[in-house]
Amino acid sequence: QQPVQSPQAVILREGEDAVINCSSSKALYSVHWYRQKHGEAPVFLMILLKGGEQKGHDKISASFNEKKQQSSLYLTASQLSYSGTYFCGTAQKTSYDKVIFGPGTSLSVIP
Amino acid sequence: DGGITQSPKYLFRKEGQNVTLSCEQNLNHDAMYWYRQDPGQGLRLIYYSQIVNDFQKGDIAEGYSVSREKKESFPLTVTSAQKNPTAFYLCASSIDLRGTEYGYTFGSGTRLTVV
Repeated sequence: QQPVQSPQAVILREGEDAVINCSSSKALYSVHWYRQKHGEAPVFLMILLKGGEQKGHDKISASFNEKKQQSSLYLTASQLSYSGTYFCGTAQKTSYDKVIFGPGTSLSVIP
Repeated sequence: DGGITQSPKYLFRKEGQNVTLSCEQNLNHDAMYWYRQDPGQGLRLIYYSQIVNDFQKGDIAEGYSVSREKKESFPLTVTSAQKNPTAFYLCASSIDLRGTEYGYTFGSGTRLTVV
């Protein structure tokens, strides 16, 4: 079951913040977040394994609400380099050996 | 440097032909995966393998086949039975079945076009 991502696309000015949401109708084992630049391979950002877990590096962080089967990715003080498509990937508790990816959120940061 | 190598980068296939996409990793990862990416649809799982000589179908396996004869190699064959093969194909690997801690490492992809 593919997770749902919102918004589909967002345009930010440098320095602004953004939140990308990911939700599933199934009980989740883990949530992955990746960023993909146009024509390149997706790059792993972080994985959340426990409900209530929050992780982050630099100005990008994420949270995982296990009860609601939702995760959010937070980008603060956005930089031009943050532009790309962000994918969440979810592994369900009943089939945690494979990750199903959402449709992606296109993020464009402009000067 | 360790990583995943996919080849070729671009591939053109004639109607009715089988083609094979190469995926090699030197990360000593156990699990390997093939995803297909179409515009606006994200990544869809074709096949995955957890150990040598064993693999499982993903959500869109019809028209594709794989083999895992060596730990480091996981080639994907797009057969003539795949009616709409034009897409960007991504190979990935992870240290364990669950992709925990380090997530998936992706190759740079193969863009397949039917001519």
